[in-house]
Parts: sequence; structure tokens; C-alpha cells
Amino acid sequence: DSGVTQTPKHLITATGQRVTLRCSPRSGDLSVYWYQQSLDQGLQFLIQYYNGEERAKGNILERFSAQQFPDLHSELNLSSLELGDSALYFCASSALRLSTDTQYFGPGTRLTVL
Amino acid sequence: GDSVTQMEGPVTLSEEAFLTINCTYTATGYPSLFWYVQYPGEGLQLLLKATKADDKGSNKGFEATYRKETTSFHLEKGSVQVSDSAVYFCALSDSQGGSEKLVFGKGMKLTVNP
Repeated sequence: DSGVTQTPKHLITATGQRVTLRCSPRSGDLSVYWYQQSLDQGLQFLIQYYNGEERAKGNILERFSAQQFPDLHSELNLSSLELGDSALYFCASSALRLSTDTQYFGPGTRLTVL
Repeated sequence: GDSVTQMEGPVTLSEEAFLTINCTYTATGYPSLFWYVQYPGEGLQLLLKATKADDKGSNKGFEATYRKETTSFHLEKGSVQVSDSAVYFCALSDSQGGSEKLVFGKGMKLTVNP
């Protein structure tokens, strides 16, 4: 158990819909990262938050947004869903914002868009 | 930008065989290097890491040495077990560009037969 929790584990929805994925980081960790894992793209970085503020964006679509709340949990919002958005979405957390920090991964949310 | 190239497999080995998974990287700064493992149906777990040149990471019989001169971080294990069957990802983290995001290789699926 990494200490990072993600809900829900599975999500099945239809094209055009909007969903919210939730992540609770390890106790005390200030950095939260979101990654997407798909068969064709592999593991891709989406966005990073540090202590409530957006730190960096990666390959995140404009239809996607995220935030980190004062209690440090984070939510990833995916809207106007398309079939190609079906993937595993991982949240990870690390203590600070150092490249030497270990990132601890949650179990992931599997999103299926029908 | 930063990138990681690793053997993709899939690879099938017999128990007690020697394992090497090659990983090379391209980075603008001085990255930290990681090996993560993903067991079926689970999230990613850190296997080992090295944060500077010539560092050796080790865990559960796996080893990898950070080689700056060859920009490599090859993973080795002298005697694999059935329980090592998983997907292995090489990754780097480099604060250049203002994010400590992980950049992953495509992953290598390993199956170990008894």
C-alpha cells in the first residue's frame, strides 16, 4: 500500500459526459501528479500541483482540468469525453518538489468511455 | 526534451534465469533515474532509484547503476522468480523546465515460468 488513494477504481461512462477522479496523497506530501496510461501512448504526464498551486502542465487536453484543495487532495475533471479518453489514470504524490523525490502511485482509476 | 528508451519485450524467462533490461536516457540537466514495476491489475511501485552518477540502486535482488558516460540505467537480477512477472518501467525526473514529472519508457513485460 503506497498510501495514495484514488476513487473510483472503475468508471464507465458515455461519450460527451463529464467525470471527476479523486486522489488523496500520502500524509504530508505536498506534490501531486496526474498521469494517463494508455496502450498507444504509454505513461504520459498530465499535470502537477504543489501545495495547492499548479506547477506544471504536460500533455493535458483543454477538456481536462485539475485542482488541488487546501487539504491537499486533488481532483481531475474530464469533460466532453471521447472514446480515446479511455485509459488508466494514475495519481502520484511526493514529499516536496525535488527531482530526487520518490513519487508514490495510487492504484489508478480505469475509465471506459462507450 | 527528455526521453527514455528501454527494451520493450515481451520477454519470457525460466525461473532462476538472469535478467537484464536495457534503459538509456536523454536529458538536458542532471536527472534522477528510477525503475518502477507494475504487477497485473495494480499501480506502479518504486523498485529502485539512483540520484547521481555512479550511484547504484538495489532492492529485492534487482540492481541498476547510474552511468552518466553512457546515459544508461540498466536493470539486472541474477535469478528471477515467478513472482517477478510484471511490467518494468524505466523513468527519469529532471527539474529542468520547472517540473519534477516522471518521463517513462514504454515498459517491458516480463513473464517468468516455473
